[in-house]
Amino acid sequence: DQQVKQNSPSLSVQEGRISILNCDYTNSMFDYFLWYKKYPAEGPTFLISISSIKDKNEDGRFTVFLNKSAKHLSLHIVPSQPGDSAVYFCAASVGTASKLTFGTGTRLQVTL
Amino acid sequence: KAGVTQTPRYLIKTRGQQVTLSCSPISGHRSVSWYQQTPGQGLQFLFEYFSETQRNKGNFPGRFSGRQFSNSRSEMNVSTLELGDSALYLCASRYTGANVLTFGAGSRLTVL
Repeated sequence: DQQVKQNSPSLSVQEGRISILNCDYTNSMFDYFLWYKKYPAEGPTFLISISSIKDKNEDGRFTVFLNKSAKHLSLHIVPSQPGDSAVYFCAASVGTASKLTFGTGTRLQVTL
Repeated sequence: KAGVTQTPRYLIKTRGQQVTLSCSPISGHRSVSWYQQTPGQGLQFLFEYFSETQRNKGNFPGRFSGRQFSNSRSEMNVSTLELGDSALYLCASRYTGANVLTFGAGSRLTVL
């Protein structure tokens, strides 16, 4: 039972353009959402998060949008850079300090 | 400040053997979680320890076990290894009450 889904296994975007990564969830109890980035041979690193009381959170080039009614969140990267090429995982939790449930990841390739 | 350290980074075992993986969390982090990453499955939650007590457990068979020591270091053990146990095992730690996990680089286990 995959409670957090990333339906696009891969995405290719040109440098300078916007990258949009999507994530859907089924558990309506989830109230905290995070995005992680993972390079090969490294562990995932935290990127940005959003609580269910907000619908948008920005941090530099990264913005996360949350649509609770659709149980959908997205990560926007503007402008995309070659160094952004990595696998991106979305994750969700119920409450604070509880286990994170991850999606299967989307591999982003930013081309020159 | 040292990050999350996992040892060994790579190991090869044969079916039926057992393996022990080690994780040293960030200093001051008392919560340690373990995840299994396999292609197409994303990060699957194994268990979480806090102050030497298992606080949460994922849907894995009893062959997967763990423990945490008084200095917050953690180990996980997999007994009677199966081919399907080949994966990247990730350890993560966090401050008490925080949602954000900080991951180590992982231990890549190959079962032949």
